[in-house]
This record gives sequence, C-alpha cells and structure tokens, in this order.
Amino acid sequence: SYDLTQPPSVSVSPGQTASISCSGDKLGDKHVSWYQQRPGQSPVLVIYQDIERPSGIPERFSGSNSGNTATLTISGTQAMDAADYYCQTWDTSTGVFGGGTELTVL
Amino acid sequence: EVQLLESGGGLVQPGGSLRLSCAASGFTFSTYAMSWVRQAPGKGLEWVSGISGNAFGTYYADSVKGRFTISRDNSKNTLYLQMNSLRAEDTAVYYCGKEDCSGGGCPMGFDPWGQGTLVTVSS
Repeated sequence: SYDLTQPPSVSVSPGQTASISCSGDKLGDKHVSWYQQRPGQSPVLVIYQDIERPSGIPERFSGSNSGNTATLTISGTQAMDAADYYCQTWDTSTGVFGGGTELTVL
Repeated sequence: EVQLLESGGGLVQPGGSLRLSCAASGFTFSTYAMSWVRQAPGKGLEWVSGISGNAFGTYYADSVKGRFTISRDNSKNTLYLQMNSLRAEDTAVYYCGKEDCSGGGCPMGFDPWGQGTLVTVSS
C-alpha cells in the first residue's frame, strides 16, 4: 500500500511562513490535495492538483510538489490558520491520506 | 450552493450492520464521483470508498473490502454506504465528499465535505 508521511506538528509565529511537508514514493508523479480541519469541523479543501487554490481560499496558501515531497506553505500565518492539515493523493483509484500535521500559531 | 448531508449513524454491536446515507443538493449529482472518508476519535482521516458518477466504478480501502458496499441512487441524489460485519475499529465519524470529476480518483480533491455522521461499534 502507498503511504504518505507528515510531521505530527509544526509551530509558527504570527506573520511568519509555515511549511508543512508530505512525503511519499515518487509523490511528484501524482497529484496532491491539502485539507484544513479546525477542531470540531469538517475538513476544507485548501489546495488541489498540487498548486491550485479553490475559490475563497486566501492567497497566503500555496502548494508545491516535486520528487518525493509535496509542501503546503502558508505565508503571513494568522491565528485563524491554527488547525490540522492533511495531504491526500490517489494510488490506483484508492485514496490515501497523510497522518496529519497540527499547526500551532504562537 | 452545494450541500452534503449525512445520516444513518448510531450505536451498533460488533458484527452488526448499518447503512449510511448522504443527501446531495446544489449540483448535478450523477455527473460527479463521490467518496466516503472516516475519522476515528482523535485520529486522522482515512479514505474508505469511492464510486463513479454512473456507479459503474466502485473502489474500497483494504480495511473495509468485503464488508462495506458503496452505492448511489442518482434519481434521489443520494449516496449510500452499507456497512456489515462491523468491528470496534470501524468506530468513527463518516464524511461524504464530492469529487470534481465523474470517474473517481479525481485530482481536484474532495470539495465540499458533509458535516459527518458518527458510527459507534460497541457492545
């Protein structure tokens, strides 16, 4: 089975840039989506097809994917960005999620 | 506005069955693939199953293959998940998610998600 690995936690100061990694074998050959989940809420899509932002998602959210690593970058991080973030891809029509990263803004 | 509303969760004994529903509105349901994703208490997201827009293609995680069946009724704009032989490890909030293509395995991700329905498997 295909695995995606994320760091369990990332901390960032308000206004700074947060980077969350997601690694998998030849992940750059696949498309990656990213989801934000605040406590008690359903996940929200923030990045799809590696770099695309859905309408309504702030420009400070961006993504990249190359080699074995995809990265979600949040520029000018705000307190409201504190949440769990999950990467996701597909492996032969089977969905795969990373283990999730808790982003702390302090 | 696209909306997804799950229902059918509850408490069930190990070995029992449950059928979840996901009522969709605000889009042409038959045009889009759909998936079920679950989240055990305090844990991460786990993709469970997906189905193409025309229901010809169905896909399952190894953890539920042979026990769960995904289906859809495009005339009722409703997605289903029939869960049999339930185990304690199936306890989770179950979400349905819309994919942005018809075939399944869409690169555009799941958007939106429903509010989820809680399934608890316990004696």
